[in-house]
Amino acid sequence: QQQVKQSPQSLIVQKGGISIINCAYENTAFDYFPWYQQFPGKGPALLIAIRPDVSEKKEGRFTISFNKSAKQFSLHIMDSQPGDSATYFCAASTSGTYKYIFGTGTRLKVLA
Amino acid sequence: EAGVAQSPRYKIIEKRQSVAFWCNPISGHATLYWYQQILGQGPKLLIQFQNNGVVDDSQLPKDRFSAERLKGVDSTLKIQPAKLEDSAVYLCASSSGTSGGLGQFFGPGTRLTVL
Repeated sequence: QQQVKQSPQSLIVQKGGISIINCAYENTAFDYFPWYQQFPGKGPALLIAIRPDVSEKKEGRFTISFNKSAKQFSLHIMDSQPGDSATYFCAASTSGTYKYIFGTGTRLKVLA
Repeated sequence: EAGVAQSPRYKIIEKRQSVAFWCNPISGHATLYWYQQILGQGPKLLIQFQNNGVVDDSQLPKDRFSAERLKGVDSTLKIQPAKLEDSAVYLCASSSGTSGGLGQFFGPGTRLTVL
């Protein structure tokens, strides 16, 4: 019940295309859902996060869509660029614990 | 604002040896985390500190791993003795730990190779 399932494991997208990464969870106590971007040799960097009281959050080319009833959330990267090539992790946590459960990661490659 | 600092960046040791990692969180961040990230996997929480007290160490292999956070600032993570399966990147993160769920900020990690 503490797992966060992430798919796909890897993704190849053409420059200018839309990248979509999906995550699903079971624990209904989760109430904070961040996405992290990790480049090789670097630590994960917070990209965007959402709480379940909204269904969508957009920051620049990055959008989180959240479906509370399905217990799913996804990251959409619009107009994908080669510089977006990285590994993306979703995570979930509950308020007060600040303890993250991470997904298994998606390796994104954007072709020039 | 300076980020989370970690050292060393890389470490290679023989199995059964000991090793220690150091982390300096973002100034003012009360909560500090140590994660283990095995190649191809997401980070797994090892231990969480709130100031200098342990909040969660349920996934820390306490027979070989230990961690401390002196004066609620810097932290060290030690492995003694190391096993081959400890080869991973050890990430330190910090957060202000207030108002529920503010983002965690990660350091660059220490890549440990156990031979």
